[in-house]
Amino acid sequence: DAGITQSPRHKVTETGTPVTLRCHQTENHRYMYWYRQDPGHGLRLIHYSYGVKDTDKGEVSDGYSVSRSKTEDFLLTLESATSSQTSVYFCAIRDRGQNTEAFFGQGTRLTVV
Amino acid sequence: AQTVTQSQPEMSVQEAETVTLSCTYDTSESNYYLFWYKQPPSRQMILVIRQEAYKQQNATENRFSVNFQKAAKSFSLKISDSQLGDTAMYFCAFMTNNNDMRFGAGTRLTVKP
Repeated sequence: DAGITQSPRHKVTETGTPVTLRCHQTENHRYMYWYRQDPGHGLRLIHYSYGVKDTDKGEVSDGYSVSRSKTEDFLLTLESATSSQTSVYFCAIRDRGQNTEAFFGQGTRLTVV
Repeated sequence: AQTVTQSQPEMSVQEAETVTLSCTYDTSESNYYLFWYKQPPSRQMILVIRQEAYKQQNATENRFSVNFQKAAKSFSLKISDSQLGDTAMYFCAFMTNNNDMRFGAGTRLTVKP
């Protein structure tokens, strides 16, 4: 299995509080992604990174920020959580090359109450 | 922006039969990459098959094959000799040269004994 770990695996938080999800890899892969999965929407790209300190927005980036200060860690932050951000969040990693396979973490179930 | 459409939210097939899942996409890019991933109840994402847009030959992986129609922007997945273990959510994914990887809403496939 690819070395990718998400933490925490489950979290319940209150509306308006900041939340940070962590994605950690041991594969030294260049690309890292954050998705959210919701019924009827599939996986939607939030942000992705193509190197240390190099990130770009995806299709649902509003309300989210990311940081990548080291190759192995990609952090997703909800500055002020809202109920609409209740979802399952997946991190994915990919090696260099255009056709390389993406490997996914186990997912983080976030509930905002 | 690239979009991926899976028009079949749910499908079912009898064990040992053949089923085809549809995927269409929209892009102005000439070079890109297409993937099918499956997500069984364990929630783990697994690569099923991949296709480079510049290759005319359809990709095949054992019981899984694709019908790639570049002009129609269509990328369907055919599963032959369906097995109970094929029961899962199937996601079509599209990636451009900038490594922005987008997914469709998914098709839930049930294989019936």
